[in-house]
Amino acid sequence: AQSVAQPEDQVNVAEGNPLTVKCTYSVSGNPYLFWYVQYPNRGLQFLLKYITGDNLVKGSYGFEAEFNKSQTSFHLKKPSALVSDSALYFCAVSKVGSYIPTFGRGTSLIVHP
Amino acid sequence: EAGVTQFPSHSVIEKGQTVTLRCDPISGHDNLYWYRRVMGKEIKFLLHFVKESKQDESGMPNNRFLAERTGGTYSTLKVQPAELEDSGVYFCASSQGNTQYFGPGTRLTVL
Repeated sequence: AQSVAQPEDQVNVAEGNPLTVKCTYSVSGNPYLFWYVQYPNRGLQFLLKYITGDNLVKGSYGFEAEFNKSQTSFHLKKPSALVSDSALYFCAVSKVGSYIPTFGRGTSLIVHP
Repeated sequence: EAGVTQFPSHSVIEKGQTVTLRCDPISGHDNLYWYRRVMGKEIKFLLHFVKESKQDESGMPNNRFLAERTGGTYSTLKVQPAELEDSGVYFCASSQGNTQYFGPGTRLTVL
């Protein structure tokens, strides 16, 4: 079985400060890892993914995530937060070759002006 | 290019009634998925179509849920009869590889 943990229900950060949204996973074998963002009244929007290769993955809107195999983590980061980054962020994992990801519960990111 | 669309955006029905949700995937995407998120919880997989065939329906909660994908294009998800615990947001996604693209969801409220 595969699982994802997003330990923080909510993350608060001031605009201009760096942000981190945490994600750890459990899967048998090698993982595919994803981050999605959901803005209010919108669907989930793909941000970035790790499939293979470089552990640091760069995605949309200046976000990046680092795959850490030893810590089974895939934390989402951004060097300088914007108020418009405020949204719900979901981490997801699937086994290599599987089309079906398992999602975390989501983390609400609030960026204060 | 149009994204994944879902209809309706909201539905409020009474327990025992029937509701049908529709999903139009991105054109050319063979894979279509249904998910559900109950308030504050994980997004749970319901089922996966490859073209018109059900590839995996292991996440369907019970036989009150029926999904179809006519001609491998749009898909419908029918709940009959609806129960209170069916309330949540139903997402549809499509893909042509390992990245899924999601629709805006249908918020279903069963009273």
